[in-house]
Amino acid sequence: DTAVSQTPKYLVTQMGNDKSIKCEQNLGHDTMYWYKQDSKKFLKIMFSYNNKELIINETVPNRFSPKSPDKAHLNLHINSLELGDSAVYFCASSRGGYEQFFGPGTRLTVL
Amino acid sequence: EDQVTQSPEALRLQEGESSSLNCSYTVSGLRGLFWYRQDPGKGPEFLFTLYSAGEEKEKERLKATLTKKESFLHITAPKPEDSATYLCAGGLYGGSQGNLIFGKGTKLSVKP
Repeated sequence: DTAVSQTPKYLVTQMGNDKSIKCEQNLGHDTMYWYKQDSKKFLKIMFSYNNKELIINETVPNRFSPKSPDKAHLNLHINSLELGDSAVYFCASSRGGYEQFFGPGTRLTVL
Repeated sequence: EDQVTQSPEALRLQEGESSSLNCSYTVSGLRGLFWYRQDPGKGPEFLFTLYSAGEEKEKERLKATLTKKESFLHITAPKPEDSATYLCAGGLYGGSQGNLIFGKGTKLSVKP
C-alpha cells in the first residue's frame, strides 16, 4: 500500500497555463507538506498544513495556492506557470514533527 | 541566515571502504538534526534524528553523530545498495510545525 501518493508523476505544460498536483496520504497523519526540489537538487519547504489549517507558508509566489479538503489530502494549484517553476515537487506527511514521509514526487516541466 | 552545508557534494567509494559525510549547520533555535536518504527518482526517506550534542544513532552500516556545530554520517564497509544521496536537515521553530531546512546533499556511489 502506498503511504503518500502524488498525481501526476510527470507534468509537461506551456508557460502561462494553470495546473494542479494532487497528494493523498493513508498514514493517518495530521500534517502535510509541499516541497520544491530544483535542478540543483536543493529541497525547500513551501507549505505545511495541520488538520486543514495552514501553519507554514514560506516565501512562495502567490501563484502557488495549496488546498486541503481534508487532513488526508493536500493539493497544490499553480497559476500562470513560469519557466522557473520547473522542478520536482514533493508532498510529505508527518504526525506533526520532523520525521516526514515523502511521496514519489511530481516532475513539472514548463516549456 | 539559517543554513545547512554538506560536504563533500559527491563521494565515490569501493565496496567495503568506510568513510564519513559531513553536515555543518548554523541554525538559530535548532530543534534537532535529521538525516534522510534519497534514491534517484524517489522522495527522501527518513533515517535518523539527533537532538543533543554527543548523541549517536545507528542503523545497519550507518552511524550518525552530532556535535554543537556539525553532524557526521559514518558509513562502515558500504555496499552498492548504500548508493544514494544523503540529505541532512535542521529542524526550525517548534517541533510540531516540522519545518526543516535541508542541505544540498552528498551523492554517494559505492562500486562493487
